[in-house]
Amino acid sequence: GENVEQHPSTLSVQEGDSAVIKCTYSDSASNYFPWYKQELGKGPQLIIDIRSNVGEKKDQRIAVTLNKTAKHFSLHITETQPEDSAVYFCAARITNTGNQFYFGTGTSLTVIP
Amino acid sequence: NAGVTQTPKFQVLKTGQSMTLQCAQDMNHNSMYWYRQDPGMGLRLIYYSASEGTTDKGEVPNGYNVSRLNKREFSLRLESAAPSQTSVYFCAGSSQMNTEAFFGQGTRLTVV
Repeated sequence: GENVEQHPSTLSVQEGDSAVIKCTYSDSASNYFPWYKQELGKGPQLIIDIRSNVGEKKDQRIAVTLNKTAKHFSLHITETQPEDSAVYFCAARITNTGNQFYFGTGTSLTVIP
Repeated sequence: NAGVTQTPKFQVLKTGQSMTLQCAQDMNHNSMYWYRQDPGMGLRLIYYSASEGTTDKGEVPNGYNVSRLNKREFSLRLESAAPSQTSVYFCAGSSQMNTEAFFGQGTRLTVV
């Protein structure tokens, strides 16, 4: 099955700096890659996603890049703010195998004011 | 729309007790999922239901059973709870198109 690896597991940045989280996947059939933000005591919520026919997507301070050849995708947060502090999960989905989502192990991001 | 609703939010069980975690969605999702979340291990899939009437094992199914009661509801049952099942459980739903999963708020289960 699919294997998603996520790095780093923890990340601390100064407010205003950029943060980058990287994920790799193993199954070339994966075709959908969402990123989730989980705040303390809550369920994960989608912040951005990218499909396999797109190389980059941006939404205000958040961007995601996808390299299908290398099987990796990354989340970029610019001008970080304290409210960006949370746990972030990447995931990969293969829609022809029961629509399962395969999650990375998460990155705990702390933005220092 | 309530989205994905899980009950209960918190539960303490004694070893050997049974219980059912309930999940309901009003988003017309075809697929539903149960995950457990443990520190440092991310979200691990327990069982999923790709469509109404089907269920399949995920990565960590041992000790659990599921029922896809109808399109809206997908329950997770622990027949004989063990301390290793202490975790936060999340239910999620998704359409069969290339879209995200929507998560419930989680159930924090402690087995003593």
